[in-house]
Amino acid sequence: EAGVTQFPSHSVIEKGQTVTLRCDPISGHDNLYWYRRVMGKEIKFLLHFVKESKQDESGMPNNRFLAERTGGTYSTLKVQPAELEDSGVYFCASSQGEAFTEETQYFGPGTRLLVL
Amino acid sequence: AQSVTQLGSHVSVSEGALVLLRCNYSSSVPPYLFWYVQYPNQGLQLLLKYTSAATLVKGINGFEAEFKKSETSFHLTKPSAHMSDAAEYFCAVGKPRGNTPLVFGKGTRLSVIA
Repeated sequence: EAGVTQFPSHSVIEKGQTVTLRCDPISGHDNLYWYRRVMGKEIKFLLHFVKESKQDESGMPNNRFLAERTGGTYSTLKVQPAELEDSGVYFCASSQGEAFTEETQYFGPGTRLLVL
Repeated sequence: AQSVTQLGSHVSVSEGALVLLRCNYSSSVPPYLFWYVQYPNQGLQLLLKYTSAATLVKGINGFEAEFKKSETSFHLTKPSAHMSDAAEYFCAVGKPRGNTPLVFGKGTRLSVIA
């Protein structure tokens, strides 16, 4: 069974440019999460999809970040325009099941974003 | 609110020595607790999890962790370190409702010296 995949693995862009990150969850997983790790700090939650709906986007830093999940399958996270402080590793995770059940979150390898 | 503190950003042990990575948590609800490991150029892999069953949890690769409510701790141990254990380890706390965001510690990088 394929795990969570993320594309690209690395991205280097200039301040002010736009970058789109993609996450493909494990097939059949309804829950999809985005997290981010800024260098030297902890991994922080950004948002949570249940199927195609945003369940919780309390961690999104500002309106330069836009996440979508088309048809409840893959998800994209767009940063527009990118700022220096957006640099970090963006992780995607997915889990199966509905609320009120304990489900393990499976993580992808991350996308390393560097904004110059 | 929930939070996690991992003591020591970098731990170094000799091959064959005990591995002890410390994690303390804070949670306003009974916590679910997790240890993840990240090997170089790979994603986060679940080592073990505590979900209110047995307080001593055994995971993959010989790791285990013990939930101690009185100490609000969930330390990760392995009796004998192997070179392949060199990685970064993350402790995380979640909520028993399930399918909710995890709150992570800052991570501890483990080095194993031959």
